[in-house]
Amino acid sequence: QVQLQQWGAGLLKPSETLSLTCAVYGGSFSGYYWSWIRQPPGKGLEWIGEINHSGSTNYNPSLKSRVTISVDTSKNQFSLKLSSVTAADTAVYYCASMGIAAAGTGGWFDPWGQGTLVTVSS
Amino acid sequence: SSELTQDPAVSVALGQTVRITCQGDSLRSYYASWYQQKPGQAPVLVIYGKNNRPSGIPDRFSGSSSGNTASLTITGAQAEDEADYYCNSRDSSGVVFGGGTKLTVL
Repeated sequence: QVQLQQWGAGLLKPSETLSLTCAVYGGSFSGYYWSWIRQPPGKGLEWIGEINHSGSTNYNPSLKSRVTISVDTSKNQFSLKLSSVTAADTAVYYCASMGIAAAGTGGWFDPWGQGTLVTVSS
Repeated sequence: SSELTQDPAVSVALGQTVRITCQGDSLRSYYASWYQQKPGQAPVLVIYGKNNRPSGIPDRFSGSSSGNTASLTITGAQAEDEADYYCNSRDSSGVVFGGGTKLTVL
């Protein structure tokens, strides 16, 4: 059964770059979209973007100018970088997977990482 | 990108049936999936595809779809079902989530 474990810095200053990594354990790295999703305190879920094992990416248009998602297939890991953060980027960030075949009918995220609270404050 | 619209809050009496809806243009082309999120926890998938439940999800949870609306139905709601529920699907830009519905079990 696939498990996701994520880590990264939890406290940033405005204008810094957020950096998180998610490791995939117990399953194949290919055949999936690997996504980042965030949730500001008290608010809903927002999809940030996705990458597949070959490095093809797709980003939320509202964040595209600041987001980079990359993959390291040798380590079964994928990473998120979000530049020029502000207080509005304060959120719990989750990594999650969606089957590429399933995406054709709508897809679903399962499993999810445990979440990382990232706070942006001066 | 398209949007998915959910009612912000819904309540149900213990043991009764409740339907949580999700509306959006992308649902004319894609199935919605549904997630349950309790405070301080990551979302958990409860319904995916046409009407499928992951292992461990009680059969009181079911899904349906018609036109641009997807529904999550809980038949015989239990106290432990009190949570936030989110729908999601793909759209032309990638992935979209509904705003979430807070379910209160009375």
